[in-house]
Amino acid sequence: EVQLVESGGGLVKPGGSLRLSCAASGFTFSSYSMNWVRQAPGKGLEWVSSISSSSSYIYYADSVKGRFTISRDNAKNSLYLQMNSLRAEDTAVYYCARDQDRLGFDPWGQGTLVTVSS
Amino acid sequence: DIQMTQSPSTLSASVGDRVTITCRASQSISSWLAWYQQKPGKAPKLLIYKASSLESGVPSRFSGSGSGTEFTLTISSLQPDDFATYYCQQYNSFWTFGQGTKVEIK
Repeated sequence: EVQLVESGGGLVKPGGSLRLSCAASGFTFSSYSMNWVRQAPGKGLEWVSSISSSSSYIYYADSVKGRFTISRDNAKNSLYLQMNSLRAEDTAVYYCARDQDRLGFDPWGQGTLVTVSS
Repeated sequence: DIQMTQSPSTLSASVGDRVTITCRASQSISSWLAWYQQKPGKAPKLLIYKASSLESGVPSRFSGSGSGTEFTLTISSLQPDDFATYYCQQYNSFWTFGQGTKVEIK
């Protein structure tokens, strides 16, 4: 079964840091680009960051550029999101999602909640 | 940046109704558009990719059409399981989601 499982969310103070992980299974992880997408409470979906299969191409939304870093370890079938200088507006459920190369994002993980509050 | 605008934001409908949701792009995205369904507390689920291709396992009552800047998602006969929020996503240039359309029970 193709599956993505996020972890690492939690409560953090403004200005703090957090590292999210996404464990992949059931497919050849190293063959796919991967993404982080977030959803603030009661709001819509916002694409956050993308990384190509070999980490050659990395992209960020303007809202997180310079503060977040996406990375992956193909040997461990894992995707990461290092989040620094967190702000209240970063509070959201963070999903990892596989990019099916022009065929949409599928599957998605169950999400992990990040709350930035003092 | 490409902006995606969905309409309506909320749609009230009954079981059996034909439902249409529109998504407009701020510039041409060819057919690089996907549709997702999301239920409360759950991750989004891919329904349609490349504007009109049905994802495997998705019921045939869902269909997508359009190209360029205007796209539609149609549910031919609304079922109880279809009450959810729907998002369009462009992937012609980076990735952008529409603001969502909530389909609620009339």
